[in-house]
Amino acid sequence: KAGVTQTPRYLIKTRGQQVTLSCSPISGHRSVSWYQQTPGQGLQFLFEYFSETQRNKGNFPGRFSGRQFSNSRSEMNVSTLELGDSALYLCASSLEHVGADTQYFGPGTRLTVL
Amino acid sequence: QQQVKQSPQSLIVQKGGISIINCAYENTAFDYFPWYQQFPGKGPALLIAIRPDVSEKKEGRFTISFNKSAKQFSLHIMDSQPGDSATYFCAASSNDYKLSFGAGTTVTVRA
Repeated sequence: KAGVTQTPRYLIKTRGQQVTLSCSPISGHRSVSWYQQTPGQGLQFLFEYFSETQRNKGNFPGRFSGRQFSNSRSEMNVSTLELGDSALYLCASSLEHVGADTQYFGPGTRLTVL
Repeated sequence: QQQVKQSPQSLIVQKGGISIINCAYENTAFDYFPWYQQFPGKGPALLIAIRPDVSEKKEGRFTISFNKSAKQFSLHIMDSQPGDSATYFCAASSNDYKLSFGAGTTVTVRA
């Protein structure tokens, strides 16, 4: 079974631009979560989707948004990029939700904002 | 505000030794406590997880000890191997569809 895939793997953007990251969960998984990982703040929860509905959102500004499609694939968007948005963005999927079953992480998208 | 406090930040252990990582939490609603292992350039991978109704869980060389009254849990890596060199994260969840992670511990196993 293929794991969680994220595209692109690397991105370089400049301040003020916007970016869209994509995540394909493991086949059959309906829950998709996004996390931001930085050396200073560690792993921070962004949002979680299940059957196209956002069930929880972390403490991030409105510039961070996401969505999930009917095939469970998910995208997250960051508008008006800031230098501090440079991070590894991780997507994770599970059958129903973390805590009920194992959550599997993708390799991440490394975003650099110049 | 870190909901799960993890220590130490890093540790070095000799091959064959025991690595111990500790985590503490305040939120008594947490009911799921996983540990993740992350290698450079990779996403975190679930290592082992425990629920509060169990005080200890062992899988191979990895053991979680859980102390509900103290609100603490720890990971023990027995017979540490160079391949165990990685960053380890404890985490907790309260059935709210998200994980709260500790800050991470970088483990280096010297051959």
